Amino acid sequence: AQSVTQLGSHVSVSEGALVLLRCNYSSSVPPYLFWYVQYPNQGLQLLLKYTSAATLVKGINGFEAEFKKSETSFHLTKPSAHMSDAAEYFCAVSDRRNTGFQKLVFGTGTRFLVSP
Amino acid sequence: EAQVTQNPRYLITVTGKKLTVTCSQNMNHEYMSWYRQDPGLGLRQIYYSMNVEVTDKGDVPEGYKVSRKEKRNFPLILESPSPNQTSLYFCASSLNSVASPLHFGNGTRLTVT
Repeated sequence: AQSVTQLGSHVSVSEGALVLLRCNYSSSVPPYLFWYVQYPNQGLQLLLKYTSAATLVKGINGFEAEFKKSETSFHLTKPSAHMSDAAEYFCAVSDRRNTGFQKLVFGTGTRFLVSP
Repeated sequence: EAQVTQNPRYLITVTGKKLTVTCSQNMNHEYMSWYRQDPGLGLRQIYYSMNVEVTDKGDVPEGYKVSRKEKRNFPLILESPSPNQTSLYFCASSLNSVASPLHFGNGTRLTVT
């Protein structure tokens, strides 16, 4: 079964510092990968997704993620953190072999905090 | 505006009192799903539906029911709620494609006393 592991349930950085949120997947076949963000009292919003094109994926709000097959990773990065980036972030995986069938498996989430 | 609408946003109830959380989407999506979110556990899928009258169990279906009589609606039913169902619930929808992202509602926070 597919699974994702997010290292670090809480990550805290200073404003302006590099953002790095880690996600590793387990799958024998490279899956589709997604990053979602959840702001307080809201549902999850898609940040970016990797399907099978470029391995470096750019998303909204200046975020990007790189798919690395050799490391089975899909880490989320942003050059400079803003206070408004404080939120919970979820990595999710979908098995590309499930033709016509949508099932996302989510990681346990990383609560990201930004200090002034 | 494309959206997934859940109601109510907050619900406090007592053990054993049947309740329904409604979910509606206006994007003509085939696929709909319910998740519960608990601290340290992320999101876990309760039930999903690939189209009208087609539903199936997710990872944590015990104590829940769903129905999909119309494409736009996918209510979640708790016939006899228990305190361990206290959680934050999300409805989501997407095109029925493995690469399609999910669109989420704003959540329903349920407390069962």
